[in-house]
Order: sequence, then C-alpha cells, then structure tokens
Amino acid sequence: KQEVTQIPAALSVPEGENLVLNCSFTDSAIYNLQWFRQDPGKGLTSLLLIQSSQREQTSGRLNASLDKSSGRSTLYIAASQPGDSATYLCAVAMDSNYQLIWGAGTKLIIKP
Amino acid sequence: ETGVTQTPRHLVMGMTNKKSLKCEQHLGHNAMYWYKQSAKKPLELMFVYSLEERVENNSVPSRFSPECPNSSHLFLHLHTLQPEDSALYLCASSQDRLSGNNEQFFGPGTRLTVL
Repeated sequence: KQEVTQIPAALSVPEGENLVLNCSFTDSAIYNLQWFRQDPGKGLTSLLLIQSSQREQTSGRLNASLDKSSGRSTLYIAASQPGDSATYLCAVAMDSNYQLIWGAGTKLIIKP
Repeated sequence: ETGVTQTPRHLVMGMTNKKSLKCEQHLGHNAMYWYKQSAKKPLELMFVYSLEERVENNSVPSRFSPECPNSSHLFLHLHTLQPEDSALYLCASSQDRLSGNNEQFFGPGTRLTVL
C-alpha cells in the first residue's frame, strides 16, 4: 500500500531564504507526482507535475525534483517571500489506476 | 480561479438535517472527484465519477450520497451526519481518469460543521 510522507509538518523561515520541502513515498510504481499549494480556507492550486520519466520541473522560483528509485521528491523555493506562506501538499498518481495518494502537507510560514 | 466552483462555501448543520453540496466545473473535463480533508490528515478520496458514471467509492458511509447528473455538475447529499464528519469537502475535476491526463483542478471547498 502506497504511503506518502511529508517532512517537516511545519516550517518557519525568514524572508529571502531558499528552502526545501520533502516528500517521500513507499511504492516506486508511480505514474507522476504533483505538488500543490493550499492557502487557508481555500482549495488546492497545482504548482508542478513531474512525470515518472522526468527528473525535475521548474516554474519561476519553484523547482521540483523526483528520484523515483529512492522514493523521494523535493520542492525547492528560491528567495522565499511572505506570499509563499501556505500549506504545500504532494501527491503521487499510481501506475495501476492513476489514483492520487496524498501526503499530509507541510505548513510553511515566511516571516517578513 | 481554477474553473471549478463549489457552493456553499460554509455550512453548519445538525445531525438530523439533510443538505447538499454542489460542484460545477467549466473546463470540459470528463472526471470529477469528491475529497474529504480533515485537520492534519491527508486528503481522503470519497467518490470518483467518469463520464457521469461512478467508478470508485472508497468505503464511504451511506450517509454521504453522491450524484452526477452530467459531466459538469457533481453533488454530495448529506443526511444524519456525525460530528466527526466535520471537515473541508473538496471537489476536483480532470480531463480523464484512466490516462495521463489526470492533472486535477480543485474548487475552493465547503467547510462543513456538524453540531
């Protein structure tokens, strides 16, 4: 059974720092991995989607990497800003049925 | 805006009430999903519809009843809920379910409180 873990559960850093959020999964038979952002009281916004054949994806200050064999993904945020404060969720789509299995999220606070 | 809307945004109901949550997607997608999000827990998939046919029901209690009258609309009918059902209920859609076009787009959610 696939399990997705995100560490840390919460993170607080000063504005301007570069930071890394971690996501690990137990079953490497994934189709893709997605990173989402959730602002308080709101739905989820897709940030990056990495296919299982890819190693990384970039969008602006965000870079997501995928190491399928070791069951890990990282989300790198460069030059963090207070507007980056949110909960970040990762989800893996299984090869067998494309169903998303979710992590519990990392709550990120960027201090001005 | 993700192209997926949900109403109401907030709902407070007693355990004996009957209410419905509504979701509408304007993306031309063929698959729609209901998720439950409880505090500090991963999202739980409740129901999946593909081309208006329910294809997955992840052992959800019968007090939750979904309805998908067409590919753009999805409802979740609620009756005799329990306080532990209080959560954020999220609707999502994707182009397809069983293909690589599985990127999901989410609505803002309905915050449900059961008294």
